[in-house]
Amino acid sequence: DQQVKQNSPSLSVQEGRISILNCDYTNSMFDYFLWYKKYPAEGPTFLISISSIKDKNEDGRFTVFLNKSAKHLSLHIVPSQPGDSAVYFCAAPAGGTSYGKLTFGQGTILTVHP
Amino acid sequence: NAGVMQNPRHLVRRRGQEARLRCSPMKGHSHVYWYRQLPEEGLKFMVYLQKENIIDESGMPKERFSAEFPKEGPSILRIQQVVRGDSAAYFCASSRDSNQPQHFGDGTRLSIL
Repeated sequence: DQQVKQNSPSLSVQEGRISILNCDYTNSMFDYFLWYKKYPAEGPTFLISISSIKDKNEDGRFTVFLNKSAKHLSLHIVPSQPGDSAVYFCAAPAGGTSYGKLTFGQGTILTVHP
Repeated sequence: NAGVMQNPRHLVRRRGQEARLRCSPMKGHSHVYWYRQLPEEGLKFMVYLQKENIIDESGMPKERFSAEFPKEGPSILRIQQVVRGDSAAYFCASSRDSNQPQHFGDGTRLSIL
């Protein structure tokens, strides 16, 4: 039962343009979400998070949007840079506001072309 | 300010042997989590520990797998009598408390011959 889904296995974007990575979830108990970036042979690196009391959170070039009614969140990267090329995972904790056990999506491979 | 340290980075075992994976959390972090990533898949939760306690082991296979986080020393994920299907990347994460984001190590890549 895949409770967090990233339906796009890959995304290719030109440098300087916007990258939009999408994530859907099925468990209405989830109320806190995180995005991680992962380079090959490295561990995931925390990027940005959002609580369900917000519909948007911004940190520099990264913005996460949350649509609770649609059970959908997205990560926007503007402007995209070649160094952003990595696998991006969305994740949600089982127990609400953080707590332990993270459920991850399958990941989306982002490639930013110079 | 060292991050989460995992060793070894690569581990090769033959079927039937034991594998021991170690994880030292970030300084000041007392919560440790283990995840497994099979090829072409996302990370799957295995176990959540605090010092000397297992908090949630709902993702651990019922047999051959065990985890500990002693009062002193690193957290250990132990796999007995390994099989080919255990080949995966095993990631450890730590957090200061349960309300903080988890920070990950670079993983141990386990290969079973």
